[in-house]
Amino acid sequence: DTGVSQDPRHKITKRGQNVTFRCDPISEHNRLYWYRQTLGQGPEFLTYFQNEAQLEKSRLLSDRFSAERPKGSFSTLEIQRTEQGDSAMYLCASSLSLSGEQYFGPGTRLTVT
Amino acid sequence: EDQVTQSPEALRLQEGESSSLNCSYTVSGLRGLFWYRQDPGKGPEFLFTLYSAGEEKEKERLKATLTKKESFLHITAPKPEDSATYLCAVLGTSYGKLTFGQGTILTVHP
Repeated sequence: DTGVSQDPRHKITKRGQNVTFRCDPISEHNRLYWYRQTLGQGPEFLTYFQNEAQLEKSRLLSDRFSAERPKGSFSTLEIQRTEQGDSAMYLCASSLSLSGEQYFGPGTRLTVT
Repeated sequence: EDQVTQSPEALRLQEGESSSLNCSYTVSGLRGLFWYRQDPGKGPEFLFTLYSAGEEKEKERLKATLTKKESFLHITAPKPEDSATYLCAVLGTSYGKLTFGQGTILTVHP
């Protein structure tokens, strides 16, 4: 079991550019989550997939954000026209059941200059 | 809307000095309360899940307890390697959405 992996670990981009992050969940987990964490705060929920279906989206997820999980395995999170306020750690998690513990990846730290 | 408040925001202990962290919550239909440990620059690491009032879980120097309104993380005889941010989260009736508190930064001095 290799755990949840995320790529890249760090991303520096200029304001207005598009960025895409990838998450590979634990292999037998069919539920996948995205969270965002800023300094000194706990993670905030962004969106949730069960298999390839996106079942819930936070109002934090503006129309510049899109997430996909095309084959029910890995997931991507894209941010278009990045803004400085998008600078944060983007965390991915996966779980086996709806009420079970979520296991987090190492995160992707995004810096928008 | 689900809410979680953790206290204190920061806690400094001497090695061996036991203490407790608090997590107060309001949630419609608690389906689980979770404790995580987070080291700087890393993702949260799962510690415990509690499902009902009166439940307790233990792991090494840590013990988590749950009431209808709050949870405590008790740390017995802490060591410097226990230094980290401890996060509490609740799972309510929304699909899989964990609502986190802001965390307690624990520093244990040798």
